[in-house]
Amino acid sequence: DTGVSQDPRHKITKRGQNVTFRCDPISEHNRLYWYRQTLGQGPEFLTYFQNEAQLEKSRLLSDRFSAERPKGSFSTLEIQRTEQGDSAMYLCASSSAGRRQETQYFGPGTRLLVL
Amino acid sequence: DQQVKQNSPSLSVQEGRISILNCDYTNSMFDYFLWYKKYPAEGPTFLISISSIKDKNEDGRFTVFLNKSAKHLSLHIVPSQPGDSAVYFCAASANFGNEKLTFGTGTRLTIIP
Repeated sequence: DTGVSQDPRHKITKRGQNVTFRCDPISEHNRLYWYRQTLGQGPEFLTYFQNEAQLEKSRLLSDRFSAERPKGSFSTLEIQRTEQGDSAMYLCASSSAGRRQETQYFGPGTRLLVL
Repeated sequence: DQQVKQNSPSLSVQEGRISILNCDYTNSMFDYFLWYKKYPAEGPTFLISISSIKDKNEDGRFTVFLNKSAKHLSLHIVPSQPGDSAVYFCAASANFGNEKLTFGTGTRLTIIP
């Protein structure tokens, strides 16, 4: 399977702990996006990378959140000092930039529950 | 502000009939629109897209219509099948998709056998 993969699929943590999620994009894709989805809502944009460069960050991404894509391949999203409001599905998507009508393909998501 | 709106939270359709899901947008910069299908505990799966230079795009049982003047798009599924039961999200992007997606809140489609 050469789709987008995410790890872990589920994470339960206690408030105040740090968590890190990983995303492996489709191999030939140079763009990688992170979104967050809460119950009853559509996915909301958090940040995206083109190769190693982080090109845009949403105001939703507080200073407790940090994302990296060090070698332009996989990416990590870290949440420090988790809060109950961080409980959500974290989705990763990848695409090939520069194409007309670029389509983003999503991974299965990481569901985070903060107790 | 909700730039992409799906005003019907749910829709039930008889198997074999046509399902029509609607979406409205407010941002004139959007020029690329996509529909995704989502099952519980899975990521969204891409279904079909349309750019603003077209008013219709068809792929098998799925057709998307775009009315730019009304800032409205719709997804038609015909004939509807039980496996189509899922949540459908409308998404929009500027720069022909080379930017972040803005999603609606989704419509839960239930196909009744």
